[in-house]
Amino acid sequence: ETGVTQTPRHLVMGMTNKKSLKCEQHLGHNAMYWYKQSAKKPLELMFVYNFKEQTENNSVPSRFSPECPNSSHLFLHLHTLQPEDSALYLCASSKRERGPTGELFFGEGSRLTVL
Amino acid sequence: GNSVTQMEGPVTLSEEAFLTINCTYTATGYPSLFWYVQYPGEGLQLLLKATKADDKGSNKGFEATYRKETTSFHLEKGSVQVSDSAVYFCALSLKTSYDKVIFGPGTSLSVIP
Repeated sequence: ETGVTQTPRHLVMGMTNKKSLKCEQHLGHNAMYWYKQSAKKPLELMFVYNFKEQTENNSVPSRFSPECPNSSHLFLHLHTLQPEDSALYLCASSKRERGPTGELFFGEGSRLTVL
Repeated sequence: GNSVTQMEGPVTLSEEAFLTINCTYTATGYPSLFWYVQYPGEGLQLLLKATKADDKGSNKGFEATYRKETTSFHLEKGSVQVSDSAVYFCALSLKTSYDKVIFGPGTSLSVIP
């Protein structure tokens, strides 16, 4: 139990479907992140929410749409994806006190397969 | 730009062997440095960290020293176990307004009995 819960753990979708990934953190953190982990590539930072405000969109295509309704929940809405979007999507959170610590707490990931 | 480079894997070792995974970084300013580990089927978790030059991070028998002069943060363990089989990620954190963490590509380690 890491304190960061992601659902679903596995998702298979067609290119015309709309689905969402959900992340919930129980750690009292105030920043949340989406990362994409593809085979043989470094982790790619997609989005950052700091105190519910989006502070970074790392040139992510518009077919990925994040939502952060409060500091404990983060969603990634998916629509008209491409097969190359198949990957493990990792959610993370962190707590900023006097400044960033670089210490991220990750969920177990949502394995997405786009057919 | 800011980046992290790690030695190519996979690395295969026998139990009780000595482990070194090399990591070097490029960064503006003075980043904090981290090693994260990802066990099969799980997300990443922080293994150890160092926040300034010459600091040594340690945890679970693993160690790494922040070397500013060589811009390196090599991970070492004196005697690996089968349970250490995982993917290890070197990372740096920049002192921005949020926790911007840049990861290396990861090094897969397999320890055989």
